[in-house]
Amino acid sequence: GAVVSQHPSWVICKSGTSVKIECRSLDFQATTMFWYRQFPKQSLMLMATSNEGSKATYEQGVEKDKFLINHASLTLSTLTVTSAHPEDSSFYICSARNGTGNNQPQHFGDGTRLSIL
Amino acid sequence: LAKTTQPISMDSYEGQEVNITCSHNNIATNDYITWYQQFPSQGPRFIIQGYKTKVTNEVASLFIPADRKSSTLSLPRVSLSDTAVYYCLVGGNNFNKFYFGSGTKLNVKP
Repeated sequence: GAVVSQHPSWVICKSGTSVKIECRSLDFQATTMFWYRQFPKQSLMLMATSNEGSKATYEQGVEKDKFLINHASLTLSTLTVTSAHPEDSSFYICSARNGTGNNQPQHFGDGTRLSIL
Repeated sequence: LAKTTQPISMDSYEGQEVNITCSHNNIATNDYITWYQQFPSQGPRFIIQGYKTKVTNEVASLFIPADRKSSTLSLPRVSLSDTAVYYCLVGGNNFNKFYFGSGTKLNVKP
């Protein structure tokens, strides 16, 4: 149980393109999802917290107009990297929690490798 | 916001028990401690979670002292496939944010 699916797993596109990444909780409902970015040989960096039915909360230094987050249902959150440039190339990972209890861990997707040429 | 500190790397040999300790001095009363394993180009995978004392599942044990300012992940009889980065996370409230520390790169040698 508690499976999180990300799609696509790998994207290569030209500079200036907008890219949408989907994060789905397959067997549970998630009121809150998280988006992380990870550069090679580094830890995961929290970008934003995605709340179903409301605006996402972005971490300091993360441009909300650059990284558009939509959490329209309890099982789907999307991250759109708008007008992507080579410096946006990274590994993007989402997570979701099954429930609101304090003991509910995050369950992670398998990530999306984004390469901007 | 609970911050975690772990050793950057550890080496071990197949069949040995490995203990990875994480410090979280400012853990909040309602925070849980969760450990994850990450392989290259994959998302973190849940290993174990605990609040206090000892928790054991089929793959690991988690030891948490009474003051909860640290925790130790214990992996019994590691194999080469356990080579990965291990992260401890502290948090719990629904809208609490979870910040990853540097993690511990475990290298299991034959």
